[in-house]
Amino acid sequence: DTGVSQDPRHKITKRGQNVTFRCDPISEHNRLYWYRQTLGQGPEFLTYFQNEAQLEKSRLLSDRFSAERPKGSFSTLEIQRTEQGDSAMYLCASSLSVSVGTGELFFGEGSRLTVL
Amino acid sequence: AQKVTQAQTEISVVEKEDVTLDCVYETRDTTYYLFWYKQPPSGELVFLIRRNSFDEQNEISGRYSWNFQKSTSSFNFTITASQVVDSAVYFCALSEEIGGTSYGKLTFGQGTILTVHP
Repeated sequence: DTGVSQDPRHKITKRGQNVTFRCDPISEHNRLYWYRQTLGQGPEFLTYFQNEAQLEKSRLLSDRFSAERPKGSFSTLEIQRTEQGDSAMYLCASSLSVSVGTGELFFGEGSRLTVL
Repeated sequence: AQKVTQAQTEISVVEKEDVTLDCVYETRDTTYYLFWYKQPPSGELVFLIRRNSFDEQNEISGRYSWNFQKSTSSFNFTITASQVVDSAVYFCALSEEIGGTSYGKLTFGQGTILTVHP
């Protein structure tokens, strides 16, 4: 399978703990995005990378959140000192750069976070 | 700021009925892209269609068709002869146009839950 993969698929943690999610994009895609989706809502943009450079961050991404893409391949999203309001599905997507292709996003199946 | 509104929260139909999902958007951009994505129970968003703001030609693809009307800022999606496998959450989304293609920062609507009963 050469789609976008995310790990773990489910994470249950206690308030105050740190969690990290990993995303492996489609190999030839140089753009990678993180979105957050809460129950009954559409996904909301968090941040995106072009290769290893983080080019935009949403105001939703508080200072407890940090995302990296160290070698321009996989990415991690870390949430420190989790709060119950962080409970959501964290979706990763990848695409070719705007200069190539249609810009269509390919999404992974998401990582569901539950903060107790 | 961009905004996408899907007024229908849930739709329930019987198999073989036609169903239309409504989408209304707001943007100050003169060029932009519109999308429909499907989210089955597995959670993975599946791309269905993309339209740019210059292309108001409506399209039919198999059982799917789209009606884009720039004058009313609407981008509706119709499934003809619905099937049980069409049951999913459907999202309309909007993005800026940069360099002749879509910028991947999408603004999604709230989604419409479609249930097709046998």
